[in-house]
Amino acid sequence: KAGVTQTPRYLIKTRGQQVTLSCSPISGHRSVSWYQQTPGQGLQFLFEYFSETQRNKGNFPGRFSGRQFSNSRSEMNVSTLELGDSALYLCASSFPIPQEEQFFGPGTRLTVL
Amino acid sequence: AQSVTQLGSHVSVSEGALVLLRCNYSSSVPPYLFWYVQYPNQGLQLLLKYTSAATLVKGINGFEAEFKKSETSFHLTKPSAHMSDAAEYFCAVSRPGGSYIPTFGRGTSLIVHP
Repeated sequence: KAGVTQTPRYLIKTRGQQVTLSCSPISGHRSVSWYQQTPGQGLQFLFEYFSETQRNKGNFPGRFSGRQFSNSRSEMNVSTLELGDSALYLCASSFPIPQEEQFFGPGTRLTVL
Repeated sequence: AQSVTQLGSHVSVSEGALVLLRCNYSSSVPPYLFWYVQYPNQGLQLLLKYTSAATLVKGINGFEAEFKKSETSFHLTKPSAHMSDAAEYFCAVSRPGGSYIPTFGRGTSLIVHP
């Protein structure tokens, strides 16, 4: 089985721009979670989608949003980028619930200049 | 509410020495517990998990962890460190039922000296 894939792997943006990251879960997995990883804060949960619905949400501002498609692929969007948004964004898929085991993608490294 | 504390942001060992990475958790219900490993420029990979079966859990790459309810701990050990074990290790706690998102610790960087 193919693993979780994330595109792009690296992104450089400037403040004020917006960005869209993509995640393709393992085939058959319907739950997709997104995390922001930074050296200072560790892994912070952004949101989780299941069957195209946001099921859980972390404590991030509304500039961070996401969606899930009928094939379980997910995207997250960050609008009006700030310097502090520079981070590794990780996507994880689960079948069918996150609390038993999550399978992580390699992440998208976002740098905001 | 649930939380995880990983003692020591960095642990340094010599190749061949015992590896001990500490994790203490807080949970209002019997927890699920996990250890994940992250190599540079990669995502997290599950090492092992405890989901209320045997308290001594064996994982991949020779790692194991013991669930101790009385100490609210889930420390990760490996008898003999290898250079390839150098990575970031994360402990996580979750709970059965519903759709609870795991809570991750801040991570411990394992450094292995030759």
